[in-house]
Amino acid sequence: DSGVTQTPKHLITATGQRVTLRCSPRSGDLSVYWYQQSLDQGLQFLIQYYNGEERAKGNILERFSAQQFPDLHSELNLSSLELGDSALYFCASSVGGAPSSYEQYFGPGTRLTVT
Amino acid sequence: TQLLEQSPQFLSIQEGENLTVYCNSSSVFSSLQWYRQEPGEGPVLLVTVVTGGEVKKLKRLTFQFGDARKDSSLHITAAQPGDTGLYLCAGDGLNTGNQFYFGTGTSLTVIP
Repeated sequence: DSGVTQTPKHLITATGQRVTLRCSPRSGDLSVYWYQQSLDQGLQFLIQYYNGEERAKGNILERFSAQQFPDLHSELNLSSLELGDSALYFCASSVGGAPSSYEQYFGPGTRLTVT
Repeated sequence: TQLLEQSPQFLSIQEGENLTVYCNSSSVFSSLQWYRQEPGEGPVLLVTVVTGGEVKKLKRLTFQFGDARKDSSLHITAAQPGDTGLYLCAGDGLNTGNQFYFGTGTSLTVIP
């Protein structure tokens, strides 16, 4: 158990819909990262928040947005869903802001299926 | 095009054999990390290499960072079934605007 929690574990929804994925970081961690993992694209970095502020942005689509709240939990919002958005979405947390300097602890992931 | 290319993509070996996984890039990295991911779980950090030419050992696993800090390798000695998993290198390039990249991955199966 990494100490990072993600809900829900599984999500099935239809194209065009909007969903929210939730992540609670390990106690004491200030950074939250979101990743998308699919068979054809591998593990892709989406976005990072550090202490409530956006720190880095990766290959995140405009249809996707995220935020980190004052209690440091984070939500990833996915809208106008397409079949290609079906993937495993991971949240990770670390104590510091530089991902290459601090260990990231990954949650169990949310498996999103868009039908 | 992926910033971090790993080879081989798939590897299936017998228990007791040795193997090497490679992670290559055209970009320079301040450091590189290696993760292992088991099915249905998130990746878990194995090691971070920071200095060009650095070699780190973790039991039967040996990690090396290239002198130019553009590549890394993972060598496993006497592989065991428990080593089975997806191995991923990762890092943030010096000129990638704080983006963090994972490699393409090497899926290792160790047959008892």
